[in-house]
Amino acid sequence: GEDVEQSLFLSVREGDSSVINCTYTDSSSTYLYWYKQEPGAGLQLLTYIFSNMDMKQDQRLTVLLNKKDKHLSLRIADTQTGDSAIYFCAEAGGGGADGLTFGKGTHLIIQP
Amino acid sequence: GAVVSQHPSRVICKSGTSVKIECRSLDFQATTMFWYRQFPKQSLMLMATSNEGSKATYEQGVEKDKFLINHASLTLSTLTVTSAHPEDSSFYICSARGAGTKPHEQYFGPGTRLTVT
Repeated sequence: GEDVEQSLFLSVREGDSSVINCTYTDSSSTYLYWYKQEPGAGLQLLTYIFSNMDMKQDQRLTVLLNKKDKHLSLRIADTQTGDSAIYFCAEAGGGGADGLTFGKGTHLIIQP
Repeated sequence: GAVVSQHPSRVICKSGTSVKIECRSLDFQATTMFWYRQFPKQSLMLMATSNEGSKATYEQGVEKDKFLINHASLTLSTLTVTSAHPEDSSFYICSARGAGTKPHEQYFGPGTRLTVT
């Protein structure tokens, strides 16, 4: 079945860049997503990338997609304390299924 | 952006009782709603997809008689956990999409924390 993997924790210093990595198995994925979940809050869509792109930049966020290796990354430049949250990688398949398949989430910890 | 609400945000119930969770789209018509379940330090697992006016489609391994889903209107879907047991304790999250939208145009509710004692 479909599977999305990401490491559980990432610790970075404030002001540094954070890079969160994700691998997926479904080669028919059409869209890949990064969501942010803060404590007690719902999921917030940060950014997404269509499978025929290899990079997308949006202000401090850069998404890189290596479709051959089925590897997705999210780079957050100049990481701030407000970036502390759980980041979920997710994919939507190309077979008509509407629900998203999520990774377990990476808890981003910001050190002062 | 579109807003999806859930009620209640937290609920504690006794083992053997049933509990209903509501998911509402506040400013758009949700032709499709999704119910996810999230365990601590785990990913969100899709439980079922519901389209307004029709029966829900459940993912493999999800008991449809235990998790009753009703999507009777374009702004409301409910998930009823019947005969709840402690292992049903989890964080339940819904999301909603309008007609003709892409998968990322799916808006998530804040979640409901269910604790079964």
